[in-house]
Amino acid sequence: EDQVTQSPEALRLQEGESSSLNCSYTVSGLRGLFWYRQDPGKGPEFLFTLYSAGEEKEKERLKATLTKKESFLHITAPKPEDSATYLCAVQAMNRDDKIIFGKGTRLHILP
Amino acid sequence: DADVTQTPRNRITKTGKRIMLECSQTKGHDRMYWYRQDPGLGLRLIYYSFDVKDINKGEISDGYSVSRQAQAKFSLSLESAIPNQTALYFCATSDIGLGQETQYFGPGTRLLVL
Repeated sequence: EDQVTQSPEALRLQEGESSSLNCSYTVSGLRGLFWYRQDPGKGPEFLFTLYSAGEEKEKERLKATLTKKESFLHITAPKPEDSATYLCAVQAMNRDDKIIFGKGTRLHILP
Repeated sequence: DADVTQTPRNRITKTGKRIMLECSQTKGHDRMYWYRQDPGLGLRLIYYSFDVKDINKGEISDGYSVSRQAQAKFSLSLESAIPNQTALYFCATSDIGLGQETQYFGPGTRLLVL
């Protein structure tokens, strides 16, 4: 069964304290892995798409990496405005192109 | 103006009532999706459409139906609302350009079924 698991569920960091969020997945053929940011009461905001193992993408303080089993979202020197829930999703390579979301990691950056 | 809009933004209804949530997009995307989000359960796919004539069930389609009236419009109906359909509902669109798919979400509709 296709599955996406994110860890930790919640993470509190001091401003400037770098860390990583994990997204592990099992899917019968990966078409793409997506990272989103979601602020309370708002729709998810697209961050990155990764397609193949070894691929990396960066945006400001965020860097996403991908292996055959998991993806990491690295946050370097975070600021309070980086506080949000970060969602990971995978798209399976089958007829339906199904997209499956993880439950997210709630990140809180303390000033 | 927002690229993906949802109406209404908030709705309170009673058990047994039929309601419709509407989604419109100005991005010109063929693919549209409906999700619901519940605390602790994440986003779950209800229905999706790859074009006007292609509609597919997601993982939790029971109790819901959809209509793709045009490329830009995708409506979600609750035939007979029940309290466990209380949730935050999101519409999303996506396009595949140069082999890369990017999803864009609307602002959400908060639904309360009494």
